[in-house]
Amino acid sequence: EIVLTQSPGALSLSPGERATLSCRASQSVSGTYLAWYQQKPGQAPRLIIYGASSRATGIPDRFSGSGSGTDFTLTISRLEPEDFGVYYCQEFGDSLWTFGQGTKVEIK
Amino acid sequence: QITLKESGPTLVKPTQTLTLTCTLSGFSLSTTGVGVHWVRQPPGKALEWLAIIYWDGDTWFSPSLKSRLTLSKDTSKNQVVLIMTDMDPVDTATYYCARLHWINKCFDSWGQGTLVTVSS
Repeated sequence: EIVLTQSPGALSLSPGERATLSCRASQSVSGTYLAWYQQKPGQAPRLIIYGASSRATGIPDRFSGSGSGTDFTLTISRLEPEDFGVYYCQEFGDSLWTFGQGTKVEIK
Repeated sequence: QITLKESGPTLVKPTQTLTLTCTLSGFSLSTTGVGVHWVRQPPGKALEWLAIIYWDGDTWFSPSLKSRLTLSKDTSKNQVVLIMTDMDPVDTATYYCARLHWINKCFDSWGQGTLVTVSS
């Protein structure tokens, strides 16, 4: 069973700054099956990146995903106040799905 | 418009069985390629995948919970039913159903979630 480790656990940045979130898999993952979600307090998660680098419908282009193999990255190029929340990576393999433990993004 | 909505008890006692229903709208469980997941999230903790049921009735479960879970579907009502046996306080969580994105195997639409508390 693949384990996804996200880092950092939390980060606090000012609006306009760049956020870089990491997701590391315990074994190689197909980029086709790597996704990122944003979750705000009291809300369901929202898909933001699928296939490692494709933005979901309605997601602004300041969000981008990259990576392959065991290392994947979510970048928010210029943080907006509404980008706060917890971000989770997720992978699919061997008919099972796994989430990372999340990275909390706080806007200063 | 695609929507999913979870329903079921908000409080169950330890050792009891939990039954949750996910009602789908805007897409059909009888369509090839459709799958519906269940995911849970204990308060303040991370998401945990539980199970999936496909349009053809095939099911897959988290290995750690497989012995306690049952999934079924009612195509006529466009509903998915999750049954979890032998509930424990550690099962207290918000339970979500979510739609499978067939090509990229992610969760492209989510229900609002339902908080289930396990307590005597």
